Amino acid sequence: AQRVTQPEKLLSVFKGAPVELKCNYSYSGSPELFWYVQYSRQRLQLLLRHISRESIKGFTADLNKGETSFHLKKPFAQEEDSAMYYCALRGTGFQKLVFGTGTRLLVSP
Amino acid sequence: DTAVSQTPKYLVTQMGNDKSIKCEQNLGHDTMYWYKQDSKKFLKIMFSYNNKELIINETVPNRFSPKSPDKAHLNLHINSLELGDSAVYFCASSGTGGAADHTFGSGTRLTVV
Repeated sequence: AQRVTQPEKLLSVFKGAPVELKCNYSYSGSPELFWYVQYSRQRLQLLLRHISRESIKGFTADLNKGETSFHLKKPFAQEEDSAMYYCALRGTGFQKLVFGTGTRLLVSP
Repeated sequence: DTAVSQTPKYLVTQMGNDKSIKCEQNLGHDTMYWYKQDSKKFLKIMFSYNNKELIINETVPNRFSPKSPDKAHLNLHINSLELGDSAVYFCASSGTGGAADHTFGSGTRLTVV
């Protein structure tokens, strides 16, 4: 079975503080992992995919197969980072995404 | 030139009614999806079509019937609406290959009263 766990419903930080949004997954094969972001009342947008190993808007995420984790990190949070963040997994041979329950990030001035 | 467009954006209707949500993508993608986001913001796949063919049907009540007239369109028809159907419904599409990311529509907020 494919499962994605995001243990934090809400993460509240001050501007300039480091941020880590946790994501753990359960899948027996080799998954593809993604982070999607949803700003207030907007569509979901792809933020990162693990195969690209890129940094977008200062965010990075490393796939740790040993810990089955794909945590999202940013060294210095900005107010405009406030949004809902979803970790998602796609299994080998599957096209659908399995989403975690999401973490709301609130960055205060 | 929106990539994935859904109509309507908002839909308020009474219990028992039948309603449809339309989705169109101009990305040339082969696969389209419907996801449901409930009041707790939990997102779950409902259906997926690949080239007009149903490939995923995730234990959704048969009051929900997707229809794909061509690979650029995937509509969702809901019969006998219930209060629990209130949610935001997102359409998405994806291409093929290693970077087959989902592109999402802006969502349809359905409220059943």
